Amino acid sequence: GAVVSQHPSWVICKSGTSVKIECRSLDFQATTMFWYRQFPKQSLMLMATSNEGSKATYEQGVEKDKFLINHASLTLSTLTVTSAHPEDSSFYICSATRGASTYNEQFFGPGTRLTVL
Amino acid sequence: TQLLEQSPQFLSIQEGENLTVYCNSSSVFSSLQWYRQEPGEGPVLLVTVVTGGEVKKLKRLTFQFGDARKDSSLHITAAQPGDTGLYLCAGAIEGSQGNLIFGKGTKLSVKP
Repeated sequence: GAVVSQHPSWVICKSGTSVKIECRSLDFQATTMFWYRQFPKQSLMLMATSNEGSKATYEQGVEKDKFLINHASLTLSTLTVTSAHPEDSSFYICSATRGASTYNEQFFGPGTRLTVL
Repeated sequence: TQLLEQSPQFLSIQEGENLTVYCNSSSVFSSLQWYRQEPGEGPVLLVTVVTGGEVKKLKRLTFQFGDARKDSSLHITAAQPGDTGLYLCAGAIEGSQGNLIFGKGTKLSVKP
């Protein structure tokens, strides 16, 4: 168990448009979900942490009005990149922790490649 | 400040060679995970270590957690081209909320 999916796997959009990325835990209820951004050949950079039914906690330097996170249920979190610009092009990855896990293990989705033209 | 130093950053070896990747910190971790990530995909959890001095084996991969729970190593025996990928260590600092701190990763390339 512990499968996390993301949709879409890749998206190309025009500058100024908004893009929504979904993250779902398929076989478990996720107490917490995380959103990361990864640039080529670099490690993961945590953007925000979200718990179901509450506001997301954003990392320093991440604009909460630009990267809208909604965690409406224990199996779904969404990240909306508003008014996207080319510099927002990146690989976005979500992860989730299971309530039963006491070791902070995170299970990652396959990622979403965003390209803003 | 990088809380979790991972080394080496890049490693290119021939099939059959052995290698070790290190993660070091001045912080104590309640748990530490190792992940492997292939291009265009999300990281996949390999192992979690929680006890100081713990050693876990996963086929040709051996993971060790330092006695003081401040460092960890990943040793691969007789590397194969299929081991190629980005290896990430990540730890939860003891007493923190539990968010993982990631190392910068080790990009491993195993040539046939």
